[in-house]
Amino acid sequence: QKEVEQDPGPLSVPEGAIVSLNCTYSNSAFQYFMWYRQYSRKGPELLMYTYSSGNKEDGRFTAQVDKSSKYISLFIRDSQPSDSATYLCAMSDSFGQGTRLTINP
Amino acid sequence: KAGVTQTPRYLIKTRGQQVTLSCSPISGHRSVSWYQQTPGQGLQFLFEYFSETQRNKGNFPGRFSGRQFSNSRSEMNVSTLELGDSALYLCASSLNRGLRYEQYFGPGTRLTVT
Repeated sequence: QKEVEQDPGPLSVPEGAIVSLNCTYSNSAFQYFMWYRQYSRKGPELLMYTYSSGNKEDGRFTAQVDKSSKYISLFIRDSQPSDSATYLCAMSDSFGQGTRLTINP
Repeated sequence: KAGVTQTPRYLIKTRGQQVTLSCSPISGHRSVSWYQQTPGQGLQFLFEYFSETQRNKGNFPGRFSGRQFSNSRSEMNVSTLELGDSALYLCASSLNRGLRYEQYFGPGTRLTVT
């Protein structure tokens, strides 16, 4: 079993929809949690970084961490075509496989 | 401010050879991490350097090594290349200011082993 599980998708939603991306993990020792966005042929870009349970909001993005359930989520509000990318979750130095997201105009 | 730069951007090597990749971090960032990204295994952590010392290491064989210089620039070396080492190698520089953490990735070096 992988330490971090993430549905690879692909996920396709209409513009303006709320997107929900999720990851589960098995190692309770993980202390910090990140979400990255990666466009094709580019390096990942850190979107959210948090080390505690609860919600963290940054613009249209909200990261949610539930340590008791070993579950993290990223919500994207008012999704835009420019949000089309692969989204990777990470716990400490372990990464999910990435979810390919397409926002349709 | 200049981003993270990696050289070379593309590289073709033969099995058994060795390769050295270079990474220049963002000015002021003292931590540099290296990652391997492949379609099959995804993004995997190789190692992290901070102030010229390896601070953390992933689960890769000893053929993968790195170092960091006093100006925070870093290099990684892969010896005795195998076909499975073909991948995108990414470096990232980071700065941890208490509650605030910033990290930036370079564009990567695409290594092809034939």
